[in-house]
Amino acid sequence: GENVEQHPSTLSVQEGDSAVIKCTYSDSASNYFPWYKQELGKGPQLIIDIRSNVGEKKDQRIAVTLNKTAKHFSLHITETQPEDSAVYFCAASGNFNKFYFGSGTKLNVKP
Amino acid sequence: DTGVSQNPRHKITKRGQNVTFRCDPISEHNRLYWYRQTLGQGPEFLTYFQNEAQLEKSRLLSDRFSAERPKGSFSTLEIQRTEQGDSAMYLCASSPLAGRTSYNEQFFGPGTRLTVL
Repeated sequence: GENVEQHPSTLSVQEGDSAVIKCTYSDSASNYFPWYKQELGKGPQLIIDIRSNVGEKKDQRIAVTLNKTAKHFSLHITETQPEDSAVYFCAASGNFNKFYFGSGTKLNVKP
Repeated sequence: DTGVSQNPRHKITKRGQNVTFRCDPISEHNRLYWYRQTLGQGPEFLTYFQNEAQLEKSRLLSDRFSAERPKGSFSTLEIQRTEQGDSAMYLCASSPLAGRTSYNEQFFGPGTRLTVL
């Protein structure tokens, strides 16, 4: 089955700096890559996703890049704010059903 | 609020007891998924339904676990003879049935946190 690895496990940045979280996947059949933000005590919230037919997608301060050849994808957050502090999960999916999640990155944005 | 809802939000039980959780998906979402999340880890897939049919079950779903979606709307997840290792957050997600695409977004509920004493 699919194996998704996520790095780093923790990331601390100063407010206004950029944050980058990286994920790799193993199954070349995976074709959908969502990113979720999870705040304490809440369910994961979809923040951005990318499909295998594009290499980059941007939504305001958030962007995701995908390198299918190398089987890795990254989340970029620019101009970080304290409210960006949360745990971020990447995931990969190759069909209609299950997502395979990474182990999460705890982002701390220091004011 | 038209998001995914889960009840109860928290459940504390003693080892050996049975528990049941409920998930109400977003209206008209055909697919419903259950995941389990332990502390410090990402969600792990348990099972999913398309309408009322349970189409896949993970090896994580032992025979003490059973899930139903009787009318293709809400779903229940029951754990019999709970063990301390069952303590986790149980997440439900739903998604619309994709057209010709082979992928679709999943929207998660707030989860039910189970503590087995």
